[in-house]
Amino acid sequence: GAVVSQHPSWVICKSGTSVKIECRSLDFQATTMFWYRQFPKQSLMLMATSNEGSKATYEQGVEKDKFLINHASLTLSTLTVTSAHPEDSSFYICSAAPPHTSDQETQYFGPGTRLLVL
Amino acid sequence: QKEVEQDPGPLSVPEGAIVSLNCTYSNSAFQYFMWYRQYSRKGPELLMYTYSSGNKEDGRFTAQVDKSSKYISLFIRDSQPSDSATYLCAMIGTGGFKTIFGAGTRLFVKA
Repeated sequence: GAVVSQHPSWVICKSGTSVKIECRSLDFQATTMFWYRQFPKQSLMLMATSNEGSKATYEQGVEKDKFLINHASLTLSTLTVTSAHPEDSSFYICSAAPPHTSDQETQYFGPGTRLLVL
Repeated sequence: QKEVEQDPGPLSVPEGAIVSLNCTYSNSAFQYFMWYRQYSRKGPELLMYTYSSGNKEDGRFTAQVDKSSKYISLFIRDSQPSDSATYLCAMIGTGGFKTIFGAGTRLFVKA
């Protein structure tokens, strides 16, 4: 099956610093990638949809200036948490959808990145 | 009211039991229904997906969708300790890519 990787798998940073998380589709090209956030014992909440070569579409309530998304190639999307604060501590998961798919059930999830902001 | 409701559990069953996991939803526009399994500190893994109403079986797993009742189920037969995980239901409406997830049910299968 298709593989999506994330790096780093976990990161601890000081408040006020910026953290970049990478999401890569390893064996397929992804025109669309999704970024989710998951708090403990809660569901995945879609943060933004990232399309290769265009600006990301953010969900209501998600600050686009705080969560910078870049989808520079068909295999890589990055999420940068700028000026991170303790409340940004969470589990961030990306997923990727192969091209020419009309149904999101074909999205493949990465293993997630756990962020802890001190 | 949340669009998708799922009992978070935890649900604890003995090995070999039949497990029933359920979700209800309010949006009649949902057409695709998925079940994901998520192990602790890992990303979700797609188990089953169903389009519209009906049943779908894959090995020990059976997914059911009842659109008239806005109710979906996942059954796990002969449950194993390795099935211990959080199970998330998810659904998509027509005309868009946005997937709505349930909160997930934590399942523990005791040996």
